[in-house]
Formats: sequence, structure tokens, C-alpha cells
Amino acid sequence: DAKTTQPTSMDCAEGRAANLPCNHSTISGNEYVYWYRQIHSQGPQYIIHGLKNNETNEMASLIITEDRKSSTLILPHATLRDTAVYYCIVRVARDDKIIFGKGTRLHILP
Amino acid sequence: NAGVTQTPKFQVLKTGQSMTLQCAQDMNHNSMYWYRQDPGMGLRLIYYSASEGTTDKGEVPNGYNVSRLNKREFSLRLESAAPSQTSVYFCASTWTGPQETQYFGPGTRLLVL
Repeated sequence: DAKTTQPTSMDCAEGRAANLPCNHSTISGNEYVYWYRQIHSQGPQYIIHGLKNNETNEMASLIITEDRKSSTLILPHATLRDTAVYYCIVRVARDDKIIFGKGTRLHILP
Repeated sequence: NAGVTQTPKFQVLKTGQSMTLQCAQDMNHNSMYWYRQDPGMGLRLIYYSASEGTTDKGEVPNGYNVSRLNKREFSLRLESAAPSQTSVYFCASTWTGPQETQYFGPGTRLLVL
């Protein structure tokens, strides 16, 4: 079973920051939070991952709460090309089993 | 560097027919995976292979077999296709470096009549 809870869908205006929440209240101390996205009809694409500290890369920022029970993926300036399903996954790094849930369908509105 | 490639892109089968979906990666990754995705659903793990010569069941292995032919190739076989196996199948591989990333293929769309 997926260990995360995400909203089914969200809307965001183009040019604004998109904040996608994820609850993972049963996360273990050695589990990382990973985010992937899937643009229509394509294979999923890795975005970012983190353990405790906030992380940032060229695509997004990941904010993890101090108790690690929830996190937020931030797309700082959303564009229409960011319309996709976003998956939040918790797993032990290098654990070979990766389980996807249903994700959040993000609609970027022009 | 082609990444993860899958063949065929599309396939139509009749119930009871067999087929093998092929997957190859040229990134020297150890781990490879097969997922299925049904309309409006997330990805479900069918089988995975942590290294050449090893395979393990995922969430939904029934009706499938896999073969890790070598480090590059990981095939998925349907021995007797059923309409419930109509889905999009994705192959993936993982680089377990400092920034672990899973790379996905473009998918195989399978229709079982």
C-alpha cells in the first residue's frame, strides 16, 4: 500500500507558485520523500527527493516538516507545461521496491 | 545514450495469446522494473530486478513472468493474455548514485480483446 496521502486534484494559475501537499504520517527514520510527475501519456519523471532538510533543484523545492509527517513540493513559477500528475512516494533510499499511489492531478490555468 | 527503450509501442492481442514486452537500458543501471498503469490510476509495480540474475514480485505479479536476460535487458511475458491485462506498461531503471533517479521508458500500450 502507498504510504502517502495526496489531494486528488489541484488548480494553479500560470506564473504563480504551485504548492502540492503530501501527508506521510507513518514515515520511518530511514525513509526518504521522493516526488515524480507524469505528463499525459509519458513515463514518470523524477523531480526531487529529501530526507530531513529542505531541498531545491532546477525544477522545484521540497519542504519537509520538522516531524517529517508531511511535505510540500513547490513549483515556483508554474507554466502550462507543468500540468501533470504528481506522485509523492516514501521509501528507503536504494530500496528496490517503489510503490506509486494515485498522485495529485495538477492543472495549470492560463 | 537512448535511456530506457521499450518495444513494441502498441499491441493488440486476443484473449489467450501470449507475448513478450521488451525493455532495454544503456545506462549501466543495476535495478530494473515493470509497472502497469490503468486509466486514471497510479502505477502499480508488477516485478522488479535488483541486479542481473535476480527478480522479485511487486504488487500485481499474477499473470506475468519476467526475465532479466543480462544487465541491459528485462522482459515481461504474458503467457495467456486476459482482458484485465489491458493497460499501459512502463519499464524503468534506477541509478543508485548520490542523487538516485528512476528513469522510465515511453510505455507499451496493450489491448487484450
